[in-house]
Amino acid sequence: DVKVTQSSRYLVKRTGEKVFLECVQDMDHENMFWYRQDPGLGLRLIYFSYDVKMKEKGDIPEGYSVSREKKERFSLILESASTNQTSMYLCASSFPTKHYEQYFGPGTRLTVT
Amino acid sequence: QKEVEQNSGPLSVPEGAIASLNCTYSDRGSQSFFWYRQYSGKSPELIMFIYSNGDKEDGRFTAQLNKASQYVSLLIRDSQPSDSATYLCAVNNALDTGNQFYFGTGTSLTVIP
Repeated sequence: DVKVTQSSRYLVKRTGEKVFLECVQDMDHENMFWYRQDPGLGLRLIYFSYDVKMKEKGDIPEGYSVSREKKERFSLILESASTNQTSMYLCASSFPTKHYEQYFGPGTRLTVT
Repeated sequence: QKEVEQNSGPLSVPEGAIASLNCTYSDRGSQSFFWYRQYSGKSPELIMFIYSNGDKEDGRFTAQLNKASQYVSLLIRDSQPSDSATYLCAVNNALDTGNQFYFGTGTSLTVIP
C-alpha cells in the first residue's frame, strides 16, 4: 500500500513564525503535491514537484515556498505565518504517467494565532 | 481557470437507496476523472476513476462519464450509513497541465439508517 505521511497532525504557530510542514512517501513516486483545504473552497493546489529539486507553482503559491531535496520528501514552508494561512494542509503523491491517481497523507491542521 | 462544479449538498438518502452525485467540468480536454471520499477530519481516499465515456462499475459504486456534456457522476447503490462522507470530484488534463488535478468543493452525503 502507498503510504504518505505528514510530520504533524495538529500544529499551532504564532503570526510571523517560520513554519515547516514535512511530507514523506514510500512508493517512489516522482510527483508530490501540497494542497490546502478550506470549507467552501475545496482543495487548492499550492505547489507541486515532478522531481527532486524541481517545483511548480499551483493556484495559490503566495506566502509559501517548497523544498524537495530527496525524492521521497517534499516540504512546505510558510516563511512568515499569517492568520489567513490557518487551514488543513494535505500532501499527495503520484506516478507521473497519465491517469495515475494521487494518494493523500493524513493532513496537518495548522492554526496560526 | 479550470472549473469543477459539484452540488455541495447536503444530500440525504435512506439506507438501501441509490445516492447520485454529480460533477461538471469546464476543461473540454480533460482526460481523467476521479472520485474521492473524505470522512470528516480525514484525508481524501480514492474510490473510483474513469477515463472513457460510459459506465464503470466497482462493487456498489458506478462512475458515469459523458465527455460531450462535460459531466461525470457517481452512483452508490444500496447506500450504507458508512457511506456518509464528502465526495470530491477531481479532473485531470495531462496534455495541458501535466499531473495537476482540479478538485470540486465536494458533495456531503448523509445516509439515514
